[in-house]
Amino acid sequence: GENVEQHPSTLSVQEGDSAVIKCTYSDSASNYFPWYKQELGKGPQLIIDIRSNVGEKKDQRIAVTLNKTAKHFSLHITETQPEDSAVYFCAASITGNQFYFGTGTSLTVIP
Amino acid sequence: EAQVTQNPRYLITVTGKKLTVTCSQNMNHEYMSWYRQDPGLGLRQIYYSMNVEVTDKGDVPEGYKVSRKEKRNFPLILESPSPNQTSLYFCASSLSGVDNSPLHFGNGTRLTVT
Repeated sequence: GENVEQHPSTLSVQEGDSAVIKCTYSDSASNYFPWYKQELGKGPQLIIDIRSNVGEKKDQRIAVTLNKTAKHFSLHITETQPEDSAVYFCAASITGNQFYFGTGTSLTVIP
Repeated sequence: EAQVTQNPRYLITVTGKKLTVTCSQNMNHEYMSWYRQDPGLGLRQIYYSMNVEVTDKGDVPEGYKVSRKEKRNFPLILESPSPNQTSLYFCASSLSGVDNSPLHFGNGTRLTVT
């Protein structure tokens, strides 16, 4: 099956700086790549997603880029704020009934 | 409010004592799924259901059962729990399992098996 690798596992940035989290996937048939944010004691929440026919997508301070040739996709958070501190998961899916998740990145934004 | 509700939030049990974790969604979603989250391993899919009476195995189904008798409910059953099933469990749902619809997650059930 699909294998998704995520780096780094922990990331600390100063408030206002940018944060980048990277994921690679193994199955070239994967065509949907969501990103989830998990706050303490809560379930993951979708923050942005991208489909394989698009190379980049932005939503305010958050952007995702996809390189199908290299089979990697990245989450970019600009102008980070303390409330961005959480665990972030990337995922890949081929059909929408099976999702393969990365191992998570714990982001800390230092005020 | 649109939500996925899991119960209980915390559960401590002993080896071999059957238990059920309930999951209910109020969004009329066709697709539902169970995941377990373990440190360093991310989320791994246990079972999923494309619709009522349609269920299928995910990546780590051993030791678990599910049923989908109604569209809104998708209980996870551990018939004989073992300590290696100690984990954080999440139920998720989406509009459809065929067109990459976004997943909506519950708040999790932390299970400890002693």
